[in-house]
Parts: sequence; C-alpha cells; structure tokens
Amino acid sequence: DAGVTQSPTHLIKTRGQQVTLRCSPKSGHDTVSWYQQALGQGPQFIFQYYEEEERQRGNFPDRFSGHQFPNYSSELNVNALLLGDSALYLCASSLPRLAGGPSSYNEQFFGPGTRLTVL
Amino acid sequence: ILNVEQSPQSLHVQEGDSTNFTCSFPSSNFYALHWYRWETAKSPEALFVMTLNGDEKKKGRISATLNTKEGYSYLYIKGSQPEDSATYLCAPTDSWGKLQFGAGTQVVVTP
Repeated sequence: DAGVTQSPTHLIKTRGQQVTLRCSPKSGHDTVSWYQQALGQGPQFIFQYYEEEERQRGNFPDRFSGHQFPNYSSELNVNALLLGDSALYLCASSLPRLAGGPSSYNEQFFGPGTRLTVL
Repeated sequence: ILNVEQSPQSLHVQEGDSTNFTCSFPSSNFYALHWYRWETAKSPEALFVMTLNGDEKKKGRISATLNTKEGYSYLYIKGSQPEDSATYLCAPTDSWGKLQFGAGTQVVVTP
C-alpha cells in the first residue's frame, strides 16, 4: 500500500512565477491537508480539503489556492511567488471522519514534501 | 489561535541515556494532541494521538503523557539509541484535525 506521495521533490522558480504542487493521499483517505515548513519553524497549516471543497484555511494569502479531485488527490497552487515562499511543502492525508471518530482523533500521514526554492 | 511551545529546542543525549522533553499548549478547547517524529530526509511519522487527560501512551522505548488541564505533554525516550535521532514535533488539533505544530525538539543521540 503506497503511502502519501508528492511531486515534484524539488522545484526552483523565480519571483513572480506560479507553481503547482501535487499530492496523492494514502489509499482510503479522503481528507488532504497542506502545510508549509519554513526554516527553523514547525509546519504551518495552509488549508484542508474534504469532498473536493476547501474545509478550513490557515493564515495564508489568496495567492495560495488548492484543489481536490474526485480521486482525492490534491494540488496546491501558489501565484506571484515571493522569496518568502521558499519552504518545504508537506501534504498529509487522513481517514474519513466517521471511520476513525472525530477528525481530531485521526492520525495524519505525511508525504516526503516538495522543496520549493524561489530565486 | 493556539500557541504551542516545545522545550528544549535541541538536546544531545549519550547512547543508553534516557531523556524527556515538553510540549506546552493552551488548555482551552482541547480536542487531541499529536506527536510526530521527523527524521532528516524522511516524512514525519506519527507516534501518538492523545485525547484524554491523564493519557499515557507507549511505543517501544518511547512514551508520552498528557495533562489537558494544565496544557502540557511530556515525551520520554528510554535508553536512547542513535536511531532515535530526529526532530520530535507536537501538535494539538482543532475539531477538524488542523494540526498546530510547535517548532520541535531536535534530539541527537551520540554513540
């Protein structure tokens, strides 16, 4: 059973460009969350997708947008890249709420991340 | 907005020694606390999901306790081994499972 996969592994962009990161959740998982980890900090929540809708959003500007597809895979898009967007972007998936109890109780499985460098 | 603090930021442990470190979080509106181990160049790996005050969980030589009334959790490593070297992250969640991570405690175990 494949775990959470992310692509690409590394990416280099220049300021002002746009980027799309991709995530495939663990089999059977329908909820996907995205996190940004800047150097020296813990991962920061960007948003969460469930049933193809953005269910919750962290404190990130509208330049950060996402999508979830019918097969539960997800994309993170960042427009008008800034130097400060350089970070490791992590995707996490979890079980459906009813299967595992309250969402807060469900273990979240992380992918290896995409390292984005903005020059 | 939850404010999660982890201390110490880093620690060096001799192989065979035991160690522990702390995660502090606001005690109001508590739902669950997650602990993760994150080794370099790997994905964060879930260690524990703790939900009840007084919870104690154990996985091999690693264990954790939870005090939701005062807002802290301890993680213990007994008889540290080099493979325990990693960053340990704690994260309380809201009702939807949004993880609010601390900055982590980096553990280095030297032979």
